[in-house]
Amino acid sequence: DQQVKQNSPSLSVQEGRISILNCDYTNSMFDYFLWYKKYPAEGPTFLISISSIKDKNEDGRFTVFLNKSAKHLSLHIVPSQPGDSAVYFCAARGRSNDYKLSFGAGTTVTVRA
Amino acid sequence: NAGVTQTPKFQVLKTGQSMTLQCAQDMNHNSMYWYRQDPGMGLRLIYYSASEGTTDKGEVPNGYNVSRLKKQNFLLGLESAAPSQTSVYFCASSINSNQPQHFGDGTRLSIL
Repeated sequence: DQQVKQNSPSLSVQEGRISILNCDYTNSMFDYFLWYKKYPAEGPTFLISISSIKDKNEDGRFTVFLNKSAKHLSLHIVPSQPGDSAVYFCAARGRSNDYKLSFGAGTTVTVRA
Repeated sequence: NAGVTQTPKFQVLKTGQSMTLQCAQDMNHNSMYWYRQDPGMGLRLIYYSASEGTTDKGEVPNGYNVSRLKKQNFLLGLESAAPSQTSVYFCASSINSNQPQHFGDGTRLSIL
């Protein structure tokens, strides 16, 4: 039973525009959320995170928004660049088992020139 | 700067064969992890090690064993490989369990 869901398997966006990736979770005990980026034949790389005490965290072109009441988070990439073409994984964990990350299935982003 | 190194990168086994996947990290991290990734699914935790000499089962431990005899190494064993274990395996490490994890580039394992 997947506790973290990324319902859009793929996203295509034009270079320079905004990419919005969505993630939903079902476990109300999750209190920390992460986004990872993965290129083909490489391992995932940590991108950005957010604690449940915040509703927004920004790092350069990347911003993560958290809506706890809706159990929803999103990742915004502005502006999108060709190097952003990758698979993005949403992950979450709870306070009691902080090593147990639950991952979504990933969203493949393609940035068109 | 190597980070997390996994060997081998690719392996083909026959059903029933045994194999050990190797993982080494040079960041002096305390925590290490083994995941598997299957099509249409997120990464699933197989085993976790909080420190040298300690291991805990993750979400999908059946059919696997692990060993953490040295801080920098975390080994994943398949005693009797089954086709259901065909997957891409990722090793990861972190300073401790509540810090972001650093991943290796994966081992693609096929079991015929």
